[in-house]
Amino acid sequence: AQKITQTQPGMFVQEKEAVTLDCTYDTSDQSYGLFWYKQPSSGEMIFLIYQGSYDEQNATEGRYSLNFQKARKSANLVISASQLGDSAMYFCAMREGIQGAQKLVFGQGTRLTINP
Amino acid sequence: EPEVTQTPSHQVTQMGQEVILRCVPISNHLYFYWYRQILGQKVEFLVSFYNNEISEKSEIFDDQFSVERPDGSNFTLKIRSTKLEDSAMYFCASSRVPNTEAFFGQGTRLTVV
Repeated sequence: AQKITQTQPGMFVQEKEAVTLDCTYDTSDQSYGLFWYKQPSSGEMIFLIYQGSYDEQNATEGRYSLNFQKARKSANLVISASQLGDSAMYFCAMREGIQGAQKLVFGQGTRLTINP
Repeated sequence: EPEVTQTPSHQVTQMGQEVILRCVPISNHLYFYWYRQILGQKVEFLVSFYNNEISEKSEIFDDQFSVERPDGSNFTLKIRSTKLEDSAMYFCASSRVPNTEAFFGQGTRLTVV
């Protein structure tokens, strides 16, 4: 079964609009972390935002916020005031557990295109 | 700002040859990882490494793969006998502690011909 599901293979948004990228996850762990990464066409993976399962507040980093709904097991990324440079692939990922070096499990990604 | 550095950025190799992909993690990080991304697909975990030993490895990480931290700064991934299906982008990542974000390098694009 998929642990991370991103249901939107592609999104097209007008510049300056807000955009929400969906992510749902599946875990039986009580302790886990959720991450969003951006992958521009150049290929590198850029960390955007992190939400811990015990964090009561939604994480925010500049124009990025994470809409964390624990009961629904969703961790949507919200980008406010989108810019042309936001065009990229976006990956949601989950880390399970707290002990030792853990792996990240990634979703399939959403390709976001910002139109001028 | 400190970053994870990978070399080379591109590598083309003949099938059956050995390749070594190199990474310099962020200096005060203790946890190291290799991931790969086949073109157009999602990023897949290969191996995690802590305290000079493998913490976890995936099914992909078979006997053809090995990792090493030969000195205090480098972290390498070796593929002994490359196959066509090993063609992918390989990412090194590091984190300071396990429950924080992992920072990724810019990747090495490996092409096996």
